[in-house]
Amino acid sequence: GENVEQHPSTLSVQEGDSAVIKCTYSDSASNYFPWYKQELGKGPQLIIDIRSNVGEKKDQRIAVTLNKTAKHFSLHITETQPEDSAVYFCAPFEEGTYKYIFGTGTRLKVLA
Amino acid sequence: DAGVTQSPTHLIKTRGQHVTLRCSPISGHKSVSWYQQVLGQGPQFIFQYYEKEERGRGNFPDRFSARQFPNYSSELNVNALLLGDSALYLCASSSTDRGPEAFFGQGTRLTVV
Repeated sequence: GENVEQHPSTLSVQEGDSAVIKCTYSDSASNYFPWYKQELGKGPQLIIDIRSNVGEKKDQRIAVTLNKTAKHFSLHITETQPEDSAVYFCAPFEEGTYKYIFGTGTRLKVLA
Repeated sequence: DAGVTQSPTHLIKTRGQHVTLRCSPISGHKSVSWYQQVLGQGPQFIFQYYEKEERGRGNFPDRFSARQFPNYSSELNVNALLLGDSALYLCASSSTDRGPEAFFGQGTRLTVV
């Protein structure tokens, strides 16, 4: 089955710095790659996604890059703010079984 | 527009009891998926329903069942509750069964004592 690894597991950055989280997956049939942000006591919130026919996508301070050959995609957050503090999950979609395979999560702390 | 709504938000049950969790998808969305999130871990897939048919099932015992109604709302049922069933149960809504884009509700926190 699909194996999804996420690194790092925790990340602390100073406000204004950049943060990068990497996700590695094993299912070569995956074609849709979202990132979710989960705050304490809430459900995961879709923040950005990318499809396999695109290498990079940007939305204001957030960007996602995809390397389908190497089977990894990364979340980039620039000019981090305290409200970016949360747990971030990558979740490639497994086409054959109609499910998202969530990574282990990255706890991001933005220090003011 | 309302997002994905789940009820109840919190629930405490005793071992051996059964529980029913409810989910209303975003208006116009025909697919509902259920995930279990144990504290400190990522969500794990339980079921996906599309147009009232089960499209996918995760590695969960038969004590877990679900259904989708004509209005696309869904119920997740868990029988013979175990302590290990304590978790946040998440419902996700999407317009198709092909993944993009799935939006999650706030979840139901189930505690089994």
